[in-house]
Amino acid sequence: SQQGEEDPQALSIQEGENATMNCSYKTSINNLQWYRQNSGRGLVHLILIRSNEREKHSGRLRVTLDTSKKSSSLLITASRAADTASYFCATNFGNEKLTFGTGTRLTIIP
Amino acid sequence: NAGVTQTPKFQVLKTGQSMTLQCAQDMNHNSMYWYRQDPGMGLRLIYYSASEGTTDKGEVPNGYNVSRLNKREFSLRLESAAPSQTSVYFCASSDRDRGDNQPQHFGDGTRLSIL
Repeated sequence: SQQGEEDPQALSIQEGENATMNCSYKTSINNLQWYRQNSGRGLVHLILIRSNEREKHSGRLRVTLDTSKKSSSLLITASRAADTASYFCATNFGNEKLTFGTGTRLTIIP
Repeated sequence: NAGVTQTPKFQVLKTGQSMTLQCAQDMNHNSMYWYRQDPGMGLRLIYYSASEGTTDKGEVPNGYNVSRLNKREFSLRLESAAPSQTSVYFCASSDRDRGDNQPQHFGDGTRLSIL
């Protein structure tokens, strides 16, 4: 069963705008990770946030985690055409395994 | 700088045929994983291996077998392919020795169609 659910399922924005996608999960986690998947390629790790962290930044990416609401958000600022991809959240429960959500398909319109 | 390499990239099989999907990583990682990705379903774990010589079932293991041949290689076998196994298969690895908070590194997938 899917642990994480991303929202929205699809998002189209103009280049230069900010993109926000959300992830909700069901049980307590050790960490939450975000991955990007370009069409026809494998997943690429973007950022990891631990359960005791509330916010993390990496370049144009900002991730927040609210463990009381069991939710996370990924913000991509100043979007570029190259950001067009599917984005997945994945939750870790303290073992080696990840449980992936169903993904958000982001399209950046030039 | 190969990372995780999967072969083949594409394969078409007939129902009942068998095949093995190959995966190799050059990052000296202990943990390796096999996932399948279906439209609208995200990734689902088939099997994983915490170290050489050990394997364990994931969420959807039925119809599959795995072999952790050595630290580098982790293969996935379909003994009698069924149309329901049409999917994109991804192999991944992670550095378990550094703790639980480690990312997974993915190959580019094998696109498998069962007719």
